[in-house]
Amino acid sequence: ILNVEQSPQSLHVQEGDSTNFTCSFPSSNFYALHWYRWETAKSPEALFVMTLNGDEKKKGRISATLNTKEGYSYLYIKGSQPEDSATYLCAFREYGNKLVFGAGTILRVKS
Amino acid sequence: NAGVTQTPKFQVLKTGQSMTLQCAQDMNHEYMSWYRQDPGMGLRLIHYSVGAGITDQGEVPNGYNVSRSTTEDFPLRLLSAAPSQTSVYFCASKQKAQGDTQYFGPGTRLTVL
Repeated sequence: ILNVEQSPQSLHVQEGDSTNFTCSFPSSNFYALHWYRWETAKSPEALFVMTLNGDEKKKGRISATLNTKEGYSYLYIKGSQPEDSATYLCAFREYGNKLVFGAGTILRVKS
Repeated sequence: NAGVTQTPKFQVLKTGQSMTLQCAQDMNHEYMSWYRQDPGMGLRLIHYSVGAGITDQGEVPNGYNVSRSTTEDFPLRLLSAAPSQTSVYFCASKQKAQGDTQYFGPGTRLTVL
């Protein structure tokens, strides 16, 4: 059973704060690492797909880094806004196409 | 493109009943999968398929069957519904290529009494 862990489980920050979360995954048989943003009562929305060690991706105020050798990825949000409140999921894809999700980090941004 | 569609949106079943959750995609994606979402447990993979005629089990396959007779459709069958199968079910699809994004359907909320 693949173990994909995310920390922290939840996070409460003030508007304007910058924050980051961690996704840990097996360092062997790596194929891709996905990040999703998931708002309540909606479907998960893809943020990034990362495939190479050292990858850095950015979309607006959100960015992510990848370290496949040690098995972790960081998601950063700069200057958090209330609309950033959501659950952030990472998913590890091993060679062979199976995508396994972590339990997610719940972010609440207070204005 | 409609993307990934799921029907029904909501369903209530009695214990022991069977039903099929429908999933279709119009993006010609090879890879399709079913997840269930339960509080505090994120998304857990039930079954997946890498192409028509090919299916495989995920983390929590018991009590569910799938088939993939066409590229577009990937139905999930509950053989004999149990209260433990009360959950929100998401279907997803993607191309097989390494860097491709997976797209989710809107979900089906199932309650088993």
